[in-house]
Amino acid sequence: NAGVTQTPKFQVLKTGQSMTLQCAQDMNHNSMYWYRQDPGMGLRLIYYSASEGTTDKGEVPNGYNVSRLNKREFSLRLESAAPSQTSVYFCASSEAGMGTEAFFGQGTRLTVV
Amino acid sequence: GENVEQHPSTLSVQEGDSAVIKCTYSDSASNYFPWYKQELGKRPQLIIDIRSNVGEKKDQRIAVTLNKTAKHFSLHITETQPEDSAVYFCAASLSSGTYKYIFGTGTRLKVLA
Repeated sequence: NAGVTQTPKFQVLKTGQSMTLQCAQDMNHNSMYWYRQDPGMGLRLIYYSASEGTTDKGEVPNGYNVSRLNKREFSLRLESAAPSQTSVYFCASSEAGMGTEAFFGQGTRLTVV
Repeated sequence: GENVEQHPSTLSVQEGDSAVIKCTYSDSASNYFPWYKQELGKRPQLIIDIRSNVGEKKDQRIAVTLNKTAKHFSLHITETQPEDSAVYFCAASLSSGTYKYIFGTGTRLKVLA
């Protein structure tokens, strides 16, 4: 059982380039999330999808877009990368319902130069 | 908006001593409170959680307490061991509607041998 899988694991972008981070889960979870992790800032929610067909902004959505392609997949797109978007990105998923565990992917380390 | 404050940001204890990490949340509708452990270079993983209808929960050397009136919850680790060294994150979640998780900024725990 793979759980939550993110691709790529590492990426270097030049300022202004675009890219899409991919995330897929095989646990049949309804809810999916994108977080960024910066030193001293914890895990900050970028976007989330409570169920297939819905997406909502989190704490730090500016500069990002998301697509919930189907129940398994939730992608994060940077249209014009900026150095401030250098971070470690985590995708997570959880079963909707009465407070359930969120499972994380292995993370994507993104550097924008 | 929802906010979770976590203290301290760093904590050093001698092996065998206890460690306590405290979190405060802002949204009184929050009713699920997980704690995650993140080892260096790895993904966050759930270690214990508590729901709002419970005041305390234990699992071997770790315990979590919740005070709904004061809107704070704490992680207690007893008989600390070197392998407990990691970053710990608290989180708060609404379990109706959006199911999103808001995380604290993390506590770096160092257990000194």
